[in-house]
Amino acid sequence: GAVVSQHPSWVICKSGTSVKIECRSLDFQATTMFWYRQFPKQSLMLMATSNEGSKATYEQGVEKDKFLINHASLTLSTLTVTSAHPEDSSFYICSARFAGGETQYFGPGTRLLVL
Amino acid sequence: DQQVKQNSPSLSVQEGRISILNCDYTNSMFDYFLWYKKYPAEGPTFLISISSIKDKNEDGRFTVFLNKSAKHLSLHIVPSQPGDSAVYFCAATTVGNYGQNFVFGPGTRLSVLP
Repeated sequence: GAVVSQHPSWVICKSGTSVKIECRSLDFQATTMFWYRQFPKQSLMLMATSNEGSKATYEQGVEKDKFLINHASLTLSTLTVTSAHPEDSSFYICSARFAGGETQYFGPGTRLLVL
Repeated sequence: DQQVKQNSPSLSVQEGRISILNCDYTNSMFDYFLWYKKYPAEGPTFLISISSIKDKNEDGRFTVFLNKSAKHLSLHIVPSQPGDSAVYFCAATTVGNYGQNFVFGPGTRLSVLP
């Protein structure tokens, strides 16, 4: 149980385009979902926390107008990288947590390459 | 200031021997700790967790030890297998405070040699 999926797994796009990444909890209802970014050989960096039905809380230094997060249902959260630039190229990972739980379950990640 | 530290960026262990991965934290408010394993280009996989009311939790080959007074925890893998080769992240959080997320350490790369 506690499976989290992400789609797509790979994105290659041109600079200036917007990219949408989906994160789904497949067998549980996720009251909270998290979005992380990982640069090569670095740890996971939290970008934002989203609770179902409310606005996401962004970490310091993360532009909320550039990284749009929507958590419209208990099983789906989306991250949209607007007007992506090469410096946004990274590995984006989501995680989900169900009500009353502490453990986060991670998705497989989405690798974004902006040319 | 790093609240969760993993001072060994890498560790090599012979197959069949014990792997010990260490983690230190500075925030005394943390009361729940987790270990994740991560392969390249994949999301982290949850391994084992421990609450601050315990000092040991065991699950198969994995045992986590917590020393609250030293603000130190360790993950023991016995016996180590080549498939255990991955990056291991220690994470800490505060139970029940849903506004607070995990704080991850920088990770330790474990290589289990056949």
